[in-house]
Amino acid sequence: DAGVIQSPRHEVTEMGQEVTLRCKPISGHNSLFWYRQTMMRGLELLIYFNNNVPIDDSGMPEDRFSAKMPNASFSTLKIQPSEPRDSAVYFCASSYGTVPGANVLTFGAGSRLTVL
Amino acid sequence: QKEVEQNSGPLSVPEGAIASLNCTYSDRGSQSFFWYRQYSGKSPELIMFIYSNGDKEDGRFTAQLNKASQYVSLLIRDSQPSDSATYLCAVNGMDDKIIFGKGTRLHILP
Repeated sequence: DAGVIQSPRHEVTEMGQEVTLRCKPISGHNSLFWYRQTMMRGLELLIYFNNNVPIDDSGMPEDRFSAKMPNASFSTLKIQPSEPRDSAVYFCASSYGTVPGANVLTFGAGSRLTVL
Repeated sequence: QKEVEQNSGPLSVPEGAIASLNCTYSDRGSQSFFWYRQYSGKSPELIMFIYSNGDKEDGRFTAQLNKASQYVSLLIRDSQPSDSATYLCAVNGMDDKIIFGKGTRLHILP
């Protein structure tokens, strides 16, 4: 298995531009999580999906952020317009959650976003 | 607001000694507890998880859970330089929301 695949690995953009981050979860996993990591705030949960349905997006910082999961093998996180404070590493993780309350996460390699 | 607290460190431990990492959580309804290791510039990887009170051992690693005190710990025996990393505690609530602490940086001294 190729694991969780994220793209792009690195993105440098200018303030105001649209950014789209992509994630392909592990085949057979039914839950997908988007996290953002910074030195100051650590690993923050942005949104998670179960069976392609968004369950909790309370961690999405503001309306500039949106996430979709059109099918079981693909998810996107979009920032429009981007701001310098959005600079962070964005991780996607998936799990099979066979037992409720016992989701073991497998992380992708992350997308490092720099907004100038 | 559900919270997971960890001492940021760095925690310095001599090679061969026991490293002890601690974590507290606020949500009493939490069901499962995880320890992830993250090397600099890499993604977190699972070390082990625990969901019953008591100890769970896996090789050099032991996780300890005390739900009454809302406390989770990770012991690393015979610490090796390759154990130097940031250790993240994560908590899985009833709603399957998985919240991470900010992590403890561990430095094993050769």
